[in-house]
Amino acid sequence: EAGVAQSPRYKIIEKRQSVAFWCNPISGHATLYWYQQILGQGPKLLIQFQNNGVVDDSQLPKDRFSAERLKGVDSTLKIQPAKLEDSAVYLCASSLGQGARETQYFGPGTRLLVL
Amino acid sequence: GDSVTQMEGPVTLSEEAFLTINCTYTATGYPSLFWYVQYPGEGLQLLLKATKADDKGSNKGFEATYRKETTSFHLEKGSVQVSDSAVYFCALSLNTGKLIFGQGTTLQVKP
Repeated sequence: EAGVAQSPRYKIIEKRQSVAFWCNPISGHATLYWYQQILGQGPKLLIQFQNNGVVDDSQLPKDRFSAERLKGVDSTLKIQPAKLEDSAVYLCASSLGQGARETQYFGPGTRLLVL
Repeated sequence: GDSVTQMEGPVTLSEEAFLTINCTYTATGYPSLFWYVQYPGEGLQLLLKATKADDKGSNKGFEATYRKETTSFHLEKGSVQVSDSAVYFCALSLNTGKLIFGQGTTLQVKP
């Protein structure tokens, strides 16, 4: 079974530029998550989708971050404009369903450096 | 609010030593508890989980017991190997499935 795919793996941009990350979840997984992991910290949820609807985006800085999951499968996370503090690893995860007992499967992440 | 606290790292052990990584949580509901591991250069992988009080999760020689009375989920292994060197994250999940992670504990095992 193929795992969660993410691209690109690495990205270097200058502040005020825009960037987009792509995620393809495990086939059949209805729930998709984007997490931000700053160096030395645990991942923090940015947004959670159930199919193509948003379940939780309370921690998403909506003035600069946006995300979509148009057909309920793959997803794109965008930052525009980027700030220095956005330097982090962006992790995508998916799970079969939604709920406390579900196991989330993580992709390899996209490492972003903002200069 | 809901949170997870892990012991500070790095933890440095010799091969075959006993490992404990402490994890405590604060939650308003009845969470499920998880340990995820991140090996060097790899993504996060589920190590084990427990979904209700007194459950014991186990995998690859690692164990953790969900203790509601002490709000803890400490990770243990009887004899660590060099290949166990990684960053370990404790996490909780509530109704929506959102994971709340601790800050991670780096384990270094020396031969």
